Amino acid sequence: LAKTTQPISMDSYEGQEVNITCSHNNIATNDYITWYQQFPSQGPRFIIQGYKTKVTNEVASLFIPADRKSSTLSLPRVSLSDTAVYYCLVGDSSASKIIFGSGTRLSIRP
Amino acid sequence: NAGVTQTPKFRILKIGQSMTLQCTQDMNHNYMYWYRQDPGMGLKLIYYSVGAGITDKGEVPNGYNVSRSTTEDFPLRLELAAPSQTSVYFCASSYTIDRAPYEQYFGPGTRLTVT
Repeated sequence: LAKTTQPISMDSYEGQEVNITCSHNNIATNDYITWYQQFPSQGPRFIIQGYKTKVTNEVASLFIPADRKSSTLSLPRVSLSDTAVYYCLVGDSSASKIIFGSGTRLSIRP
Repeated sequence: NAGVTQTPKFRILKIGQSMTLQCTQDMNHNYMYWYRQDPGMGLKLIYYSVGAGITDKGEVPNGYNVSRSTTEDFPLRLELAAPSQTSVYFCASSYTIDRAPYEQYFGPGTRLTVT
């Protein structure tokens, strides 16, 4: 199973760009990289998913280098409402490979 | 669409009691999942189902049972509740047809306390 390593916590300020890096050294050829966001007392919410290079949607960008051993979630111009836990998952459609890990607790200050 | 709904929202059980956590989705998703989340920790997969009549164990299946008789419903059964099962339980669903893990939609969770 592809284990992931993320920083336990990060702090930033409103209006800044935040980059959260996830390490996944033993990622498999068929594995995708998926990021979820979780607010307190809620279930996780899908943010973005990618396989290689760069993916961008309306809320975030995902950067994946050629060796795919790490990935970086980029949140542009964060606000207080981006304070949450962010999880990096690595896997394919095989549900048995799902591992959420402990996530990164992001705190945004005014 | 209501998405993924879970009942009950809260429950307190005594040690040794049993209960069923209900989960229903109205998105016609083929995959469904049950997770537990202990305080300050990530989610751990208990059981999952790739379609009606098909279930399989996840990372932490001991003490739980599931069934999937319809596409919409995926109940989780706790037999002989133990304090170690005190947790928040999340049900999720996704539509997966090829090798990409499609996004999972999560329910609001059930907060269970076993005393």
